[in-house]
Amino acid sequence: SQLAEENLWALSVHEGESVTVNCSYKTSITALQWYRQKSGEGPAQLILIRSNEREKRNGRLRATLDTSSQSSSLSITATRCEDTAVYFCATDNNAPRFGAGTKLSVKP
Amino acid sequence: EAAVTQSPRNKVAVTGGKVTLSCNQTNNHNNMYWYRQDTGHGLRLIHYSYGAGSTEKGDIPDGYKASRPSQENFSLILELATPSQTSVYFCASGDLGLNQDTQYFGPGTRLLVL
Repeated sequence: SQLAEENLWALSVHEGESVTVNCSYKTSITALQWYRQKSGEGPAQLILIRSNEREKRNGRLRATLDTSSQSSSLSITATRCEDTAVYFCATDNNAPRFGAGTKLSVKP
Repeated sequence: EAAVTQSPRNKVAVTGGKVTLSCNQTNNHNNMYWYRQDTGHGLRLIHYSYGAGSTEKGDIPDGYKASRPSQENFSLILELATPSQTSVYFCASGDLGLNQDTQYFGPGTRLLVL
C-alpha cells in the first residue's frame, strides 16, 4: 500500500532558486522521512521529522509536518545543480513506506 | 562509517531458477529492509526484520522469502524467479528509537530474469 505520496511528478528550477516538494500521507504516523536519490544510487536520508515536531532543518533543507492535514513539505534554498535528484517522502510506523517521488531538475 | 553493502550488484537469472540477494550492514542496526524499485512505483517494501531470526512480510511479499541469520546479514530469496521480478532491489538498515533516527540504504542490485 502506498501510504505516502508526493504531489508532483517533476519540478524544474534554476540554480540559486528555492523549491518546495510536497507530500501527503494516508495514515497516522510516528515519523516522516525525506530522502533524496541520485541517478544510479540508493536513497539517502535527508531529514526525519517526528509526529510531535512541526519543523526541522538540515543546512539548506527545511521540512515541515502538519499532522492535521496529513501533509509534509521539504524546502530547499539556494539550489545547486547537485540537488538534481528524485525526492521521496516516506511514512514510518513499523517500516518506511515510500511515495513515487518527485523528480527535481536544477538547471545552471 | 555507516555502511550497507549488497551482493551481487548485477545478476542475470533464468525463469524458474533460484536467486539469493545478500545484504550486510556494519551499523549495528536492529532493523533491516528489502525494497524493490520499478519506474513509476517508487520503492515497495518486500520484507523486513527487527533482528536476528525475525522476518516480517511487507507490502509485496509474494514470490519472495527472507532470512536474517545474524544482526549484520539479511538475505532475499527468490525460489522460482519470474520475469516480473526483474527490478532493482535495495536493502536498508535503520533504527528509529528515541535517540536515533538514521536509516541507510545500500547501492542496489539490478536483477534481470530472462
